[in-house]
Amino acid sequence: QVQLQESGPGLVKASETLSLTCDVSGYSISSGYYWGWIWQPPGKGLEWIGSIYYTGSTFYNPSFKSRVTISVDTSKNQFSLKLNSVTAADTAVYYCVRIRGPFYFDFWGQGTLVTVSS
Amino acid sequence: QSALTQPPSVSGSPGQSVTISCTGTSSDVGYYDRVSWYQQPPGSVPKLIISDVSKRPSGVPDRFSGSKSANTASLTISGLQAEDEADYYCCSYTTSVTWVFGGGTKVTVL
Repeated sequence: QVQLQESGPGLVKASETLSLTCDVSGYSISSGYYWGWIWQPPGKGLEWIGSIYYTGSTFYNPSFKSRVTISVDTSKNQFSLKLNSVTAADTAVYYCVRIRGPFYFDFWGQGTLVTVSS
Repeated sequence: QSALTQPPSVSGSPGQSVTISCTGTSSDVGYYDRVSWYQQPPGSVPKLIISDVSKRPSGVPDRFSGSKSANTASLTISGLQAEDEADYYCCSYTTSVTWVFGGGTKVTVL
């Protein structure tokens, strides 16, 4: 069974960089598929942040494009998210996902709440 | 990119059917048959319930069905049950190689 697990600081200071990692088990990232990040601010809906193919090709939501970097480390079977210059508006639950097709998100991590403090 | 449009809430009594609409554009919902739906009970992780407009993953009850016409996709829950109370989100792949979600619909079982 494919499992994804997010990890990273739960508290980040405003203007700094948010960094999260997603560890994948039960499937080798280098075997294929796209992988991505989705966020959900408190009380709000889901929004796609960006995706990466196992080869390293990336695709970003234009709303985040200037601040976001997604990378993959196939040797560790993990991929990562960096979001620069964070503000309180970036406080959210961040989910890592596997993208099948690549059209839909079939496996999700448990999500991790990141709070941006001023 | 603009979010897909969903009604904020729908409700129904147990056993009834409810339908949630998801309206996009000719660059997303209308272009591809790549609409998916996710169920998120309170405090839980979203779960895929429909892919590619109308395909149900293994384990998803056949009470859930999806369809599409032009730029609007729909999710129908037939024989509504108390456990179906959750937020539902549609999502579409787009011509810009991005993914866009709807704002979410809260389903209440009366």
